[in-house]
Amino acid sequence: SQQGEEDPQALSIQEGENATMNCSYKTSINNLQWYRQNSGRGLVHLILIRSNEREKHSGRLRVTLDTSKKSSSLLITASRAADTASYFCATDAEGAQKLVFGQGTRLTINP
Amino acid sequence: SAVISQKPSRDICQRGTSLTIQCQVDSQVTMMFWYRQQPGQSLTLIATANQGSEATYESGFVIDKFPISRPNLTFSTLTVSNMSPEDSSIYLCSVVSSARPYEQYFGPGTRLTVT
Repeated sequence: SQQGEEDPQALSIQEGENATMNCSYKTSINNLQWYRQNSGRGLVHLILIRSNEREKHSGRLRVTLDTSKKSSSLLITASRAADTASYFCATDAEGAQKLVFGQGTRLTINP
Repeated sequence: SAVISQKPSRDICQRGTSLTIQCQVDSQVTMMFWYRQQPGQSLTLIATANQGSEATYESGFVIDKFPISRPNLTFSTLTVSNMSPEDSSIYLCSVVSSARPYEQYFGPGTRLTVT
């Protein structure tokens, strides 16, 4: 069964606002990765955070990881229309590289 | 990161037929995987493509339905056999390289519609 759950399932905000998406998982992990998918195309790798890291930044992206709560969040600051996409978190169980994906958050940025 | 291509990008097939999807990487990678994304759903791992040996399938996926080959470190194929409309999905390959052993990168996907 799917390990990850994402919240919210859909998010609609105005351009320039910040968008926050959350991901929860059930078992211990090595790493957690966030991906973006535009209109049913391939996945674009956004950021990887290791289990011993608490926060990571990449451009307008900020990812946090709380292993005690088995949860992660993705923050996109100063959103743009081009950020409209589905965002997925994916975890790998310890010792494996097979990814288990969350259900995804559909983000819409309104101009 | 590695550049990954898939062929075909999309196809419409009749039920009962088979389709082979190719995944080509521009550099040697350590691991290759195949995922399925059903309409409106998230991704589910089908199998790990092992170089020179049989693929390792996840629960619910069998070799007779999804035969996989990986003859070398840069190429793999996934065949969807005896297709039914329920096989309509996006099929994606992904890779892990030794340069970035924890990050997994995905191809552009193959959108399959079975009529």
